[in-house]
Amino acid sequence: AQKITQTQPGMFVQEKEAVTLDCTYDTSDQSYGLFWYKQPSSGEMIFLIYQGSYDEQNATEGRYSLNFQKARKSANLVISASQLGDSAMYFCAMREGQDSSYKLIFGSGTRLLVRP
Amino acid sequence: DTGVSQDPRHKITKRGQNVTFRCDPISEHNRLYWYRQTLGQGPEFLTYFQNEAQLEKSRLLSDRFSAERPKGSFSTLEIQRTEQGDSAMYLCASSLATGVAKNIQYFGAGTRLSVL
Repeated sequence: AQKITQTQPGMFVQEKEAVTLDCTYDTSDQSYGLFWYKQPSSGEMIFLIYQGSYDEQNATEGRYSLNFQKARKSANLVISASQLGDSAMYFCAMREGQDSSYKLIFGSGTRLLVRP
Repeated sequence: DTGVSQDPRHKITKRGQNVTFRCDPISEHNRLYWYRQTLGQGPEFLTYFQNEAQLEKSRLLSDRFSAERPKGSFSTLEIQRTEQGDSAMYLCASSLATGVAKNIQYFGAGTRLSVL
């Protein structure tokens, strides 16, 4: 069964430092997509970055990069040069390619707190 | 640039009452999703529309829940005879279906329901 596991309920990072948020997934599909979303206290889920299972290079979007290790089934999010505004919940999600609805399966999230 | 909008943002109701939420997706998006998020958890898929057709419903969507997307634009989610267990954040997302595209889902800010 499809599953996303985020083992870090909470993380602290010092402002301007880098932080890695862990995500492992389980799927039997060869074709799938992995996503990271940020959810501030306001509630909106903000799309950050996407990695396709066939993408050979790790995805990057500004200060966000995704460390994709397919054999280990991990898709960790790296945030470089943390800012105070990065304090939020972060969710890893997966979409299986064989599922025509493309619904997302989410992990339980990691709460990141950036210290000044 | 208008994102996904949801109304109302907050709803407090008494047990047994009916409630209806509205979602306006990004204008050119033909796919629309509803998710439910309880405290401390990631969102869980409820249902999905492609244009006006409701193509998939989760087992989480009991008979008291009904969703519509009458003209393939906005969508409503109605909960009849609300129960305290329905208290949650209801999130709407939309995406553009283009073959094997990333199908990135963009979320609204959600409707937070409290059932007293």
